[in-house]
Amino acid sequence: TQLLEQSPQFLSIQEGENLTVYCNSSSVFSSLQWYRQEPGEGPVLLVTVVTGGEVKKLKRLTFQFGDARKDSSLHITAAQTGDTGLYLCAGDYGNKLVFGAGTILRVKS
Amino acid sequence: NAGVTQTPKFQVLKTGQSMTLQCAQDMNHEYMSWYRQDPGMGLRLIHYSVGAGITDQGEVPNGYNVSRSTTEDFPLRLLSAAPSQTSVYFCASSYEGAAGNTIYFGEGSWLTVV
Repeated sequence: TQLLEQSPQFLSIQEGENLTVYCNSSSVFSSLQWYRQEPGEGPVLLVTVVTGGEVKKLKRLTFQFGDARKDSSLHITAAQTGDTGLYLCAGDYGNKLVFGAGTILRVKS
Repeated sequence: NAGVTQTPKFQVLKTGQSMTLQCAQDMNHEYMSWYRQDPGMGLRLIHYSVGAGITDQGEVPNGYNVSRSTTEDFPLRLLSAAPSQTSVYFCASSYEGAAGNTIYFGEGSWLTVV
């Protein structure tokens, strides 16, 4: 059983569409991170959220941390083909960083 | 600045063989960790270390050993490889701890056990 559940597992959309991916848990995290991973490479950190209700924007990407610090979402506006990749959420649990299974995003031109 | 360096990039082992995956970082990070990544499972923590001489188990430690004799190096040892250990392995490091810190990943080591 994953501590962090991500949905959807796979998303295929057209360029220009908007999308949201979710990261949910029954546990409270002091911080939560989102990573993007491309084939053949390691994950790269996109953002860290630490405060319940926090919203962070990174160009077309909007990250939200739930008020109870148990869930998070990533919204992408006007997706581009360069957004294609695996999106992973991760929460710190004790001194361990635990990951969700990820959402595979494919943006078609 | 090399960041986190993993070797080898690719390895094929026979069942029962032993090997060591090497990981080195040049950022003077205290925290280092090893993950394995399997389809549909995300990254699962194998072992981690909060500083030289200190290691602890993650979610899936069985079949793996680690040591941390220096700040820079954190090797992962497979004592008797099994097909279930076929996976992609990532080493990661951060300045201190996992909480809220930027974690840097290596490029991965692809291991196949036949």
